[in-house]
Amino acid sequence: DIQMTQSPSSLSASVGDRVTITCRASQGIRNDLGWYQQKPGKAPKRLIYAASSLQSGVPSRFSGSGSGTEFTLTITSLQPEDFATYYCLHYNDFPWTFGQGTNVELK
Amino acid sequence: QVQLVESGGGAVQPGRSLRLSCVASGFAFKNYDMHWARQAPGKGLEWVAFMSFDGSKEYYIDSVKGRFTISRDNSQNTLFLQMNSLRSEDTAVYYCATIYSYGMDLWGQGTMVTVSS
Repeated sequence: DIQMTQSPSSLSASVGDRVTITCRASQGIRNDLGWYQQKPGKAPKRLIYAASSLQSGVPSRFSGSGSGTEFTLTITSLQPEDFATYYCLHYNDFPWTFGQGTNVELK
Repeated sequence: QVQLVESGGGAVQPGRSLRLSCVASGFAFKNYDMHWARQAPGKGLEWVAFMSFDGSKEYYIDSVKGRFTISRDNSQNTLFLQMNSLRSEDTAVYYCATIYSYGMDLWGQGTMVTVSS
C-alpha cells in the first residue's frame, strides 16, 4: 500500500503569510494527487487536482506542485477564511490514502 | 441540484450491524464510480471503500475487509455500505463521494456512526 506522509501536522500563521504544506508518497504516484481543505463539521472541499491543477472556483492564491513522490500545496497571502485543516489524497492505486492532515491556525 | 445525501447512521453496540445509504441527485449516478470515506472524532480522513459505476469492481481498506460491503442500486440512484461486526474503532462520520481527478469531486454531508456498549 502507498503511504502518504504529510508535514507539518500543524502550523501557526498570520493573515498575509505564505504557507507551504508537503506530502511525500512512499512510492511514485505520478501526479495522481489532490489537495483538500476541511473546516470543522463540514465535508472536505478539493482545491487542487492532478497535483497542480486548480479546481474551478478556488482562489488563485492556492497552488500545487510536484510529481512522483514529493508534492507541495502553497497558499500565498493567507486569508481569514483559509484557517482550516488541509489533506492530500493519492488516487494512484487502491487503497487510496490521505495524508495525516495539517491544521493551519491563527498565530 | 447536484448532491449526495447520506443516511442510516446512529448508535450501535459492538458486534452489531448497520447499513448506510447515500442518495444521489442532479447527475447521472449510474455513470459514476463511488467511494465511502470516514473520519473518526478529532482525527483525519480515511478512505474506506470503492465501487465502480457498474458494480463490477470493489476495493476496501484492510481494516474493514470481510466486515463491510459496498453496493449500489443504479435504478434508485443509491449507494450502500453494509457494516457488520462493528467495532469501537469504526466510530466516525461516514461520507459518500464521487471523486474524479479531471472531473467531478462531490461529497455528501456525512452521517455519524457511534459504536459503543
